[in-house]
Amino acid sequence: SAVISQKPSRDICQRGTSLTIQCQVDSQVTMMFWYRQQPGQSLTLIATANQGSEATYESGFVIDKFPISRPNLTFSTLTVSNMSPEDSSIYLCSVEWGLSSYNEQFFGPGTRLTVL
Amino acid sequence: SQQGEEDPQALSIQEGENATMNCSYKTSINNLQWYRQNSGRGLVHLILIRSNEREKHSGRLRVTLDTSKKSSSLLITASRAADTASYFCATGGRGKLTFGKGITLSVRP
Repeated sequence: SAVISQKPSRDICQRGTSLTIQCQVDSQVTMMFWYRQQPGQSLTLIATANQGSEATYESGFVIDKFPISRPNLTFSTLTVSNMSPEDSSIYLCSVEWGLSSYNEQFFGPGTRLTVL
Repeated sequence: SQQGEEDPQALSIQEGENATMNCSYKTSINNLQWYRQNSGRGLVHLILIRSNEREKHSGRLRVTLDTSKKSSSLLITASRAADTASYFCATGGRGKLTFGKGITLSVRP
């Protein structure tokens, strides 16, 4: 399995500012993903972080708000831009592990963001 | 649309008892995964069951899958206080998982 770390683990930010979350994996992985979990809710996929190309965003999420970088096969960042209190959530990095069509998906410890 | 729906939404049991949680889904699947989340932290992967499997065990966990009923169950035997957490089922693949709303399990010492 993959070991995933995220920084920061939590932050409290002022509205209008931006925060960049880092995700580091202990092994090279092809696919990395970013999820959001709003308070009391389940997880929603934000985007797929593609190495060497632009991220692929899900419906309702746009690059200007959530720019993503993926400079190599073990690292990715997600920026939450121009934050508002509605962005208060847990943001989780995730990787798919395996080469079959039954791959397990692992998640990082999450970044708990509070926007005031 | 939401694929996985767990029930019950909340479950409270005594330590040592078994906990059974159910998940239903709407469309055909390749596999189904169960996760645990402690106090709003990251998700811990518990088990993946393939669409051609009916039952799978891992320690005190037992997962079943009934593709004809589009449902899965997670059984935790001999529960411990440390099992107190939220449990989610998820379907999909290639990173694009769809999660249910989760079940909150409380295990009383």
